[in-house]
Amino acid sequence: SQTIHQWPATLVQPVGSPLSLECTVEGTSNPNLYWYRQAAGRGLQLLFYSVGIGQISSEVPQNLSASRPQDRQFILSSKKLLLSDSGFYLCACRGLSEAFFGQGTRLTVV
Amino acid sequence: ILNVEQSPQSLHVQEGDSTNFTCSFPSSNFYALHWYRWETAKSPEALFVMTLNGDEKKKGRISATLNTKEGYSYLYIKGSQPEDSATYLCALIKAGGTSYGKLTFGQGTILTVHP
Repeated sequence: SQTIHQWPATLVQPVGSPLSLECTVEGTSNPNLYWYRQAAGRGLQLLFYSVGIGQISSEVPQNLSASRPQDRQFILSSKKLLLSDSGFYLCACRGLSEAFFGQGTRLTVV
Repeated sequence: ILNVEQSPQSLHVQEGDSTNFTCSFPSSNFYALHWYRWETAKSPEALFVMTLNGDEKKKGRISATLNTKEGYSYLYIKGSQPEDSATYLCALIKAGGTSYGKLTFGQGTILTVHP
């Protein structure tokens, strides 16, 4: 089965600083990759998804960007963090069937 | 925007009660419907992947049904236990087009089972 490595687990960053969250996948090739943020409430808001290297679909306009430099690597970035970027971020991978998730990153922007 | 709706938003039941939740979605271009359980401090875990209209799947005390023509899925828990307490999420994948590969989640149903 697939294993998702997501780091760091927690992060405290000042407003205006850059961000880079990395997600790597083992156990599959050419997966669909996703970045979600836990929305206020309880659901998972889709931020970005990728069906292949260099292919990124953005779901909501925001202060974030994503890149997929390698088949099993998905990076979430920001040039300048805002307070509203605080939240819980999850990376997910889907091959032929269900999605598997990383452990998540709790980001606090101060 | 793809609307995947779940109801109720939250549910409190007593141990031993049976319960069910609903996931509603646009029925056009259906590809698959997933159910996940998300426990506090853990990652979401898949319960079911459903692809065919009329699908019924079961795992222990939990089962799910799918109606792709009318755009809904039900998740049932028989004889709820405190360890069933979690957020239950459904997620939709549509076939092809500009949304190829997209996995869209509903807002979830928070289940609390009281001993």
